[in-house]
Amino acid sequence: KAGVTQTPRYLIKTRGQQVTLSCSPISGHRSVSWYQQTPGQGLQFLFEYFSETQRNKGNFPGRFSGRQFSNSRSEMNVSTLELGDSALYLCASSLVSGVNNEQFFGPGTRLTVL
Amino acid sequence: AQSVTQLGSHVSVSEGALVLLRCNYSSSVPPYLFWYVQYPNQGLQLLLKYTSAATLVKGINGFEAEFKKSETSFHLTKPSAHMSDAAEYFCAVSTMNSGYSTLTFGKGTMLLVSP
Repeated sequence: KAGVTQTPRYLIKTRGQQVTLSCSPISGHRSVSWYQQTPGQGLQFLFEYFSETQRNKGNFPGRFSGRQFSNSRSEMNVSTLELGDSALYLCASSLVSGVNNEQFFGPGTRLTVL
Repeated sequence: AQSVTQLGSHVSVSEGALVLLRCNYSSSVPPYLFWYVQYPNQGLQLLLKYTSAATLVKGINGFEAEFKKSETSFHLTKPSAHMSDAAEYFCAVSTMNSGYSTLTFGKGTMLLVSP
């Protein structure tokens, strides 16, 4: 069974631009979560989608948004990029949403904002 | 709100030595606890998880962790380190909050293994 895939793997943007990252979950998984990983802040939860609905959201500004499609694929968008948005963005999928459901992580998208 | 503290951003051991990575959690409700490992340029891989079935949890690659409620700890151990264990390790806690589950990670501990 294929794992979680994320595209692109690397991305370089300039301040003020916007970016869209894509995540394809493991087949059959309906929950997709997004995390931002930086050396200073570590892993921080962005949001979770389940059955095309955002179920939970972390403490990030409105410039960060996402969506989920009927095939469970998910995208996240960051508008008006800032230097501080440079990070590894990780997507994780699980069968359902819940406290003890194992999340399977993709390799991440490394975003560099210049 | 839940939180996770990992003691030591870096831990160095010799090959064959005991590995001990410390994790303390804070949660107002019974937690579900996880240890993940991250190799360079890769995502996170689950090592093991505690879901209240047993306090001593065995995971992959010879790792295990013991849940101690009185100490609010979930330390990760491995009897004998291998060079291939060099990676970053994350402890995480998952609890329900307002009907939704949230996975909160510690800052991570980089394990360095020397020959």
